[in-house]
Amino acid sequence: KAGVTQTPRYLIKTRGQQVTLSCSPISGHRSVSWYQQTPGQGLQFLFEYFSETQRNKGNFPGRFSGRQFSNSRSEMNVSTLELGDSALYLCASSMGQGESPLHFGNGTRLTVT
Amino acid sequence: QKEVEQNSGPLSVPEGAIASLNCTYSDRVSQSFFWYRQYSGKSPELIMSIYSNGDKEDGRFTAQLNKASQYVSLLIRDSQPSDSATYLCAVNDYKLSFGAGTTVTVRA
Repeated sequence: KAGVTQTPRYLIKTRGQQVTLSCSPISGHRSVSWYQQTPGQGLQFLFEYFSETQRNKGNFPGRFSGRQFSNSRSEMNVSTLELGDSALYLCASSMGQGESPLHFGNGTRLTVT
Repeated sequence: QKEVEQNSGPLSVPEGAIASLNCTYSDRVSQSFFWYRQYSGKSPELIMSIYSNGDKEDGRFTAQLNKASQYVSLLIRDSQPSDSATYLCAVNDYKLSFGAGTTVTVRA
């Protein structure tokens, strides 16, 4: 069974630009969650999508948005990039029930210069 | 208070010893608990899940849960150099919340 696939693996952007990250979940998983990981803050929850609807949201500014498609694939968009947005962005999928563990992709390393 | 707190490492243990990792959480209604392992430069990998009070063993790993004390722990027996990684405790309320992680180094 294929795992969670994230593209691209690496991105370098300039302040003020926008970026879109993509995530394909494990087949059969309907929930996709996004996390930001930085050395100082650890893993911070961005949002979760389930059946094309945002089900939960973390404490990030509105510049961070996402969506989920009918095939459960998800995209995350960050607009007006800031230097502090440099991080590893991780996508994780699950069956969507509370007890279901998350399975992470390899992440997208975003560097903002 | 952070939602999930882990003992601050780093934790250095000799090969063959037991590594003990601790985690406390603040939300009493949490029902699902997980341990993830993250190697440097890699993404987190699920190694244990536990839902009921008591112990759960899987190979060299044992997870312990005490909901009354809001405490989860992970024991790594017969530690190997390949166990050197950061271990993340995760607790499920309406989202999966992670602790900051404990970095374990196993000395050969």
